[in-house]
Amino acid sequence: ETGVTQTPRHLVMGMTNKKSLKCEQHLGHNAMYWYKQSAKKPLELMFVYNFKEQTENNSVPSRFSPECPNSSHLFLHLHTLQPEDSALYLCASSHPGQLVDTQYFGPGTRLTVL
Amino acid sequence: KNEVEQSPQNLTAQEGEFITINCSYSVGISALHWLQQHPGGGIVSLFMLSSGKKKHGRLIATINIQEKHSSLHITASHPRDSAVYICAVRWGGGADGLTFGKGTHLIIQP
Repeated sequence: ETGVTQTPRHLVMGMTNKKSLKCEQHLGHNAMYWYKQSAKKPLELMFVYNFKEQTENNSVPSRFSPECPNSSHLFLHLHTLQPEDSALYLCASSHPGQLVDTQYFGPGTRLTVL
Repeated sequence: KNEVEQSPQNLTAQEGEFITINCSYSVGISALHWLQQHPGGGIVSLFMLSSGKKKHGRLIATINIQEKHSSLHITASHPRDSAVYICAVRWGGGADGLTFGKGTHLIIQP
């Protein structure tokens, strides 16, 4: 248990559906991250939020829309996804401002797009 | 393009063997992480290094900044060490995300 929770743990959706992934941390961290892990590929950074402001968008398609209403919560809104978007989506948090800081990962949401 | 390379990609060993996993990267970094991912997906951070060597139980991580290379060692390996071990680097300071290697799939047989 890392202190970072993600819901749902599993999600199956059609290409026309709209769904949201939720990440929550109560570790007092101010940076939150979305990562994607596709089969047979390395983990990829999607978005970074620092003090609720998006500081990095790693060329992610607009069908993925992040939202960070406060430092403890991070959402990933999904709409009109493609089957190739099926992957494990991982959230992480850290405490920036330190020279080097550890990222704490959630358990992930396993997404299947039909 | 900034890259992280890990080797070997797959490793099967017998219980009790000394295990070494290697990671190299292309440009200077502010920190290097070793992560462990078990089946089901959960990721645990094992080490974060910016220089030298760290030890935690049977795990040892080293980094050589000049050679842009890090190693993760497991002593007296055990079947419960079976997992995917991932090297990840942070290129800059602050809240930058990590760039990951492809991972090393380790199986320790009893």
